Formats: sequence, C-alpha cells, structure tokens
Amino acid sequence: KAGVTQTPRYLIKTRGQQVTLSCSPISGHRSVSWYQQTPGQGLQFLFEYFSETQRNKGNFPGRFSGRQFSNSRSEMNVSTLELGDSALYLCASSRGGGDTEAFFGQGTRLTVV
Amino acid sequence: AQTVTQSQPEMSVQEAETVTLSCTYDTSESDYYLFWYKQPPSRQMILVIRQEAYKQQNATENRFSVNFQKAAKSFSLKISDSQLGDAAMYFCAYRELSGTYKYIFGTGTRLKVLA
Repeated sequence: KAGVTQTPRYLIKTRGQQVTLSCSPISGHRSVSWYQQTPGQGLQFLFEYFSETQRNKGNFPGRFSGRQFSNSRSEMNVSTLELGDSALYLCASSRGGGDTEAFFGQGTRLTVV
Repeated sequence: AQTVTQSQPEMSVQEAETVTLSCTYDTSESDYYLFWYKQPPSRQMILVIRQEAYKQQNATENRFSVNFQKAAKSFSLKISDSQLGDAAMYFCAYRELSGTYKYIFGTGTRLKVLA
C-alpha cells in the first residue's frame, strides 16, 4: 500500500512569506504528526492531529499552525517566514490507537532566503 | 520533561562486524515505548526496532537487537554482521504509552560502514 506522501519535496521561500506543506497519511491512519528537523536542534515535535483535532502541540511559536481534514490529510502552515525556519519538515502517520508505531514520509525541505 | 541522549555523534564499523549504538533517556513514567529509527540519505525515517518498557525481554529484529536496561534508563542498539546498507543516521526515540504520537528524539548517531 502507498506510504506517507509529503508535498512538495522541496520549497524555497523568501523571508516574510508564508508556506503550506501537505501530508497524506497511509490509508486508514487517523493520526498525523509533524516534526521539524534542523542540524542545530535535531528533530522537534510540532503537533499531532487525530480525527481533525489537535491532540498535542510542541513548543513552537504561533506562526506554526496545522489542520487535518476529514480524509485525514493534514497541512501545516508557517506564516511570516524567518531564516531559522529553514529545515526538513517530516510528517508521520499512524492508526492512532497508541499501540502502533508511526510511519514517516520523506519530508519537505524548506529553504528560507 | 522527558529527554533522550545519544552521546556518540559518529561511529564506524567494518563490514560484517558488530557495532553498538548507545542511548540513554530520562522519564518519570513507568510505562513507555522506545524506538530506534534509521534515516538514510533519502531522509525517510525507517523503524528499525521498538521496545515496550513493560516487557523485560529485549527486542530483536533479524540482525538488530537492543539491550534495554530500565533501571539504568539505557537503550542500546546492536547491529550484527553490519552491511553497507546499514550506513545511515540512527535516532533513538521515546514515546509515552498514551495515545499521543509525540516522539522525543535523540540527536542521532551517524553510522559509517567500511568495506
């Protein structure tokens, strides 16, 4: 079956702009979580959505937001981009029952110039 | 707050040899999950092995096994018969037993496999 799909794979944006990243989970998975990966900070949890509700949130400013649709697809949005937002953004999906592991997508590489 | 520490930024192993990657963590919870993920240059995180804290038996998956020491809060990964395809970043991760999928990751260990 198809894995977790993240689009786009690469993105270049200018400071001050906003960006939307998309994640399509594995069919049947209801939980989608997002992570930011940078060389300096490593992998950091952004937020998790389950059945269209945000279930958990990491320690990121309000410029980072997300949502989940009824088909479990999720988007994350970053407004007023800063140079420090340049990172690999990873999405992970799972059934959501808590007893199974999450499956990761290949990520979106965001570069802010 | 939970933390995960990987003290080895980089490790090298000769092909066909055995290597052990270290991980320590801190939590006040008694039940939780621990994972090792592999991230090759393709960037996709791939699950290598997982351990439930309430299980005393160490998990094994083919050439991969863990040494889980709950009291010491230690969770090392042993790779036997190392192959060139094992070269990647390896991340140790912690997750609570509750339904949320918030992983706490270590900083990673880059494993090089020498032919």
